[in-house]
Amino acid sequence: AQSVTQLDSQVPVFEEAPVELRCNYSSSVSVYLFWYVQYPNQGLQLLLKYLSGSTLVESINGFEAEFNKSQTSFHLRKPSVHISDTAEYFCAVSSMDSSYKLIFGSGTRLLVRP
Amino acid sequence: DTGVSQDPRHKITKRGQNVTFRCDPISEHNRLYWYRQTLGQGPEFLTYFQNEAQLEKSRLLSDRFSAERPKGSFSTLEIQRTEQGDSAMYLCASSSGTGVNGYTFGSGTRLTVV
Repeated sequence: AQSVTQLDSQVPVFEEAPVELRCNYSSSVSVYLFWYVQYPNQGLQLLLKYLSGSTLVESINGFEAEFNKSQTSFHLRKPSVHISDTAEYFCAVSSMDSSYKLIFGSGTRLLVRP
Repeated sequence: DTGVSQDPRHKITKRGQNVTFRCDPISEHNRLYWYRQTLGQGPEFLTYFQNEAQLEKSRLLSDRFSAERPKGSFSTLEIQRTEQGDSAMYLCASSSGTGVNGYTFGSGTRLTVV
């Protein structure tokens, strides 16, 4: 079985400051790793994913995440945030079995202040 | 490809009533997933289909819940004898045969049981 822990329920940050949203996972088998973003009253949108290969993955809007196998972490970072980045961010793992079921963390609310 | 559609967006019902939600996945996606999300939590897996076959159900899915996907196209999720604890956002997602691309989520149906 897999589980995901997002250590911070809310992260307030000023605009243009850097941010890191933490994610740790637990699994006895290899997994795929994902970050999803949820804007108010909307569904979840895939932000980025780690499948294999380079441990650093990037999204088109400036976010990046680094897979660290030894620490079982997949932290999300952005060097300079915008007001529009205010949203709920969910880390998720998917086992490589036939279901590809996603297991989500409890989410981190990123609040960007001017 | 218009994405994943869910209907209705909002549903208010009295305790004890039955409700049914509909999900229309992306047409070429053979997998369809239902999740439930309560306030301040990440989505929790309920069940998934591959084509018309329901392959896994979570223990969260009590006997009052039933899901179908006739002909492997749209899916319905029915809750019988609703309880206040059923109040949540019900999310539908679809994906292609493997998990490498993650899911595409719908905007969800918000159920309020009064």
